[in-house]
Amino acid sequence: KNEVEQSPQNLTAQEGEFITINCSYSVGISALHWLQQHPGGGIVSLFMLSSGKKKHGRLIATINIQEKHSSLHITASHPRDSAVYICAVCFQGAQKLVFGQGTRLTINP
Amino acid sequence: KAGVTQTPRYLIKTRGQQVTLSCSPISGHRSVSWYQQTPGQGLQFLFEYFSETQRNKGNFPGRFSGRQFSNSRSEMNVSTLELGDSALYLCASSLAEYYEQYFGPGTRLTVT
Repeated sequence: KNEVEQSPQNLTAQEGEFITINCSYSVGISALHWLQQHPGGGIVSLFMLSSGKKKHGRLIATINIQEKHSSLHITASHPRDSAVYICAVCFQGAQKLVFGQGTRLTINP
Repeated sequence: KAGVTQTPRYLIKTRGQQVTLSCSPISGHRSVSWYQQTPGQGLQFLFEYFSETQRNKGNFPGRFSGRQFSNSRSEMNVSTLELGDSALYLCASSLAEYYEQYFGPGTRLTVT
């Protein structure tokens, strides 16, 4: 069964802290996405990666294909980073995303 | 470049009715995918269209259908609405298969 597991489900931190959200999946993938969803529903694609590491501003995403694991890091977190972060994978041979349950991140000032 | 647009943004329907939702992809994008988001099930894949052909379908009943037009715009239809169909329906477009997907703002459907 193709599964995607995220941890933690909820995360509360103080402004400035380094944040890590993890995502594990069960079988081989062609790509992994990290998405951000703010209250109100809009989803923004943060990263799409199939190997290695990508960085955009204070956000860093890494993936380890052998271990079937990805992490999303936020450096110098800010209250505006408060959102739900969702990991989604495209399993090999299937052009459809399977989503993790999301991580609700709250950054307090 | 304009982003993905979805209409309507909000919709209230009664059980048994049908509804049609529309998605206009980013110009040049030929792939459109639809997703349903509910508090209980999270985000789930509905279907994906590329060049007017449905290439993939999720595990939803036949009441859920869709189509894509020659200009890549897509519609999804839900017939005989049930209370459980209340959800946020999101569409996403991409250039082609396995490219990054760009999400629209969603249509929030409430079935009463």
